[in-house]
Amino acid sequence: QQQVRQSPQSLTVWEGETTILNCSYEDSTFDYFPWYRQFPGKSPALLIAISLVSNKKEDGRFTIFFNKREKKLSLHITDSQPGDSATYFCAARMDSNYQLIWGSGTKLIIKP
Amino acid sequence: NSKVIQTPRYLVKGQGQKAKMRCIPEKGHPVVFWYQQNKNNEFKFLINFQNQEVLQQIDMTEKRFSAECPSNSPCSLEIQSSEAGDSALYLCASRGQGYSDYTFGSGTRLLVI
Repeated sequence: QQQVRQSPQSLTVWEGETTILNCSYEDSTFDYFPWYRQFPGKSPALLIAISLVSNKKEDGRFTIFFNKREKKLSLHITDSQPGDSATYFCAARMDSNYQLIWGSGTKLIIKP
Repeated sequence: NSKVIQTPRYLVKGQGQKAKMRCIPEKGHPVVFWYQQNKNNEFKFLINFQNQEVLQQIDMTEKRFSAECPSNSPCSLEIQSSEAGDSALYLCASRGQGYSDYTFGSGTRLLVI
């Protein structure tokens, strides 16, 4: 019940297109959903996050859409760039102990 | 540059040896987490601290790992007797009070041969 699921496992997109990454969860105690980006050999870095009070969060080319009823989120990257190539993790925070539950990641490749 | 400092960056140990890694959390962050990320990119929560006290830890951490976060000293995670399956990236993250975000360190990549 504490799982966070991500899809697809990997994705290749042409430069300039919009990338859509998906995430879903089941546990109703999750209250905060950060997305992390991890480049090879590096640690994850926070990209953008959303809480239960919002349906949408935008930061430059990155937007999270949140369907609370269906417990689904999606991360949209507009005008995708080769520098966006990385693994993207959706995570969910438990409101009881603030521990993060991680999805399995989506490996994104942006082709020039 | 990360505000959470992890050392060493790389660690190579033989099976059965002790492996110790350290973490200096971001200044003012009272909560520290340790995660293990394996070669399949899967994250496993190991232990977390608030100030110097353990909040939660998994069974594996209780048995084979020792961890502490003393005041005025780096936090540490030590594997008492390394196993091949411990080879992974060990990530330390710290968080402020309330609904603040995590800051991750650069990680310690452990290889057990």
